[in-house]
Amino acid sequence: GQNIDQPTEMTATEGAIVQINCTYQTSGFNGLFWYQQHAGEAPTFLSYNVLDGLEEKGRFSSFLSRSKGYSYLLLKELQMKDSASYLCAVRENDYKLSFGAGTTVTVRA
Amino acid sequence: KAGVTQTPRYLIKTRGQQVTLSCSPISGHRSVSWYQQTPGQGLQFLFEYFSETQRNKGNFPGRFSGRQFSNSRSEMNVSTLELGDSALYLCASSSEMTGYNEQFFGPGTRLTVL
Repeated sequence: GQNIDQPTEMTATEGAIVQINCTYQTSGFNGLFWYQQHAGEAPTFLSYNVLDGLEEKGRFSSFLSRSKGYSYLLLKELQMKDSASYLCAVRENDYKLSFGAGTTVTVRA
Repeated sequence: KAGVTQTPRYLIKTRGQQVTLSCSPISGHRSVSWYQQTPGQGLQFLFEYFSETQRNKGNFPGRFSGRQFSNSRSEMNVSTLELGDSALYLCASSSEMTGYNEQFFGPGTRLTVL
């Protein structure tokens, strides 16, 4: 089973940086994913980490530390359209994907 | 390339009835996963199908079942509906092009059980 924890809500100002942390416990790790979900819409894929380190993709970066069971999603140069729920998901060796409850990010002007 | 499509988009049923939801993956995607999303429980994995075989199953009762056809289209069925089955049901497809790491979600079917 999975135990995935991430903050419920975060608020930041347009142009700022926000870091969303995710901690997890798993018996067989096979990848960590971040998804973005705008209200009333389906989740969309943001990033995938399976090895330790930082993956950068434009304004979004994702970091993984397998030994610590820890990941973060970094959103830079925040824009109003970044207001959404951000879901951390962990895949186990049997390829089951478990999602955290999601972090609602609100970007203020 | 067309995205993942799900039908119907909205459905209202009463307790005890059964329902079948349909998902058409992106062309060429052989893996289809189903999820239930509720405000209280978040996104929960139901099952995954690959080449017409159920490869994985989440912790849901046997009332929840599914299947996949040779063209990769998938259906899920919920029998003896309960009020707690009211949720958004999402399907997602993936392909070997991304090592099955990137899932593309459909718009979901909003099921309301009265």
